[in-house]
Amino acid sequence: EAGVAQSPRYKIIEKRQSVAFWCNPISGHATLYWYQQILGQGPKLLIQFQNNGVVDDSQLPKDRFSAERLKGVDSTLKIQPAKLEDSAVYLCASSLLAGLSSTDTQYFGPGTRLTVL
Amino acid sequence: TQLLEQSPQFLSIQEGENLTVYCNSSSVFSSLQWYRQEPGEGPVLLVTVVTGGEVKKLKRLTFQFGDARKDSSLHITAAQPGDTGLYLCAGASTSGTYKYIFGTGTRLKVLA
Repeated sequence: EAGVAQSPRYKIIEKRQSVAFWCNPISGHATLYWYQQILGQGPKLLIQFQNNGVVDDSQLPKDRFSAERLKGVDSTLKIQPAKLEDSAVYLCASSLLAGLSSTDTQYFGPGTRLTVL
Repeated sequence: TQLLEQSPQFLSIQEGENLTVYCNSSSVFSSLQWYRQEPGEGPVLLVTVVTGGEVKKLKRLTFQFGDARKDSSLHITAAQPGDTGLYLCAGASTSGTYKYIFGTGTRLKVLA
């Protein structure tokens, strides 16, 4: 079974530029998550999709971050414009159940490491 | 706001030693998960504990969920260099659609 795919793996941009990340979850997984992980810290949930609807985006900086999940499958996360403090690893994860179980397993992709100069 | 604090933040030990990592919160969680993350990769689930007081064993790793479901511990017996990594706990919120709050992380290095 193929895992969660993310691209690009690395991205270096200057502040105020725009950047987009792509995620392809495991086939059939209803829930998709985007996390931000600053170096040495635990992941912080940015947005959670259930199929193609947003379940939680309370920690998404909506003035600069946006995300969509196309037809309930692939997802893109965009930052426009980027700030220095956005430097982090952006992790995508997917899970089978639609957020209806506290024991659902999240499968993570390898992440995209973003450096903002 | 639910927070999960892990301790210690960093741990460097010799091969063969035992260690315990703690995950504490003032909030109650429906379940608690432990993940291990290696450099350049995403976290990988090790275990899920659901019931207060539950103990699960995975080879040399022992996981315990606190009676009040607010805290958890991970104990590793006879650590090996392959155990090196970032250990993360994650609690599932108790209301609405479940979402997971990750702990601050414990970076473990096991020296040969």
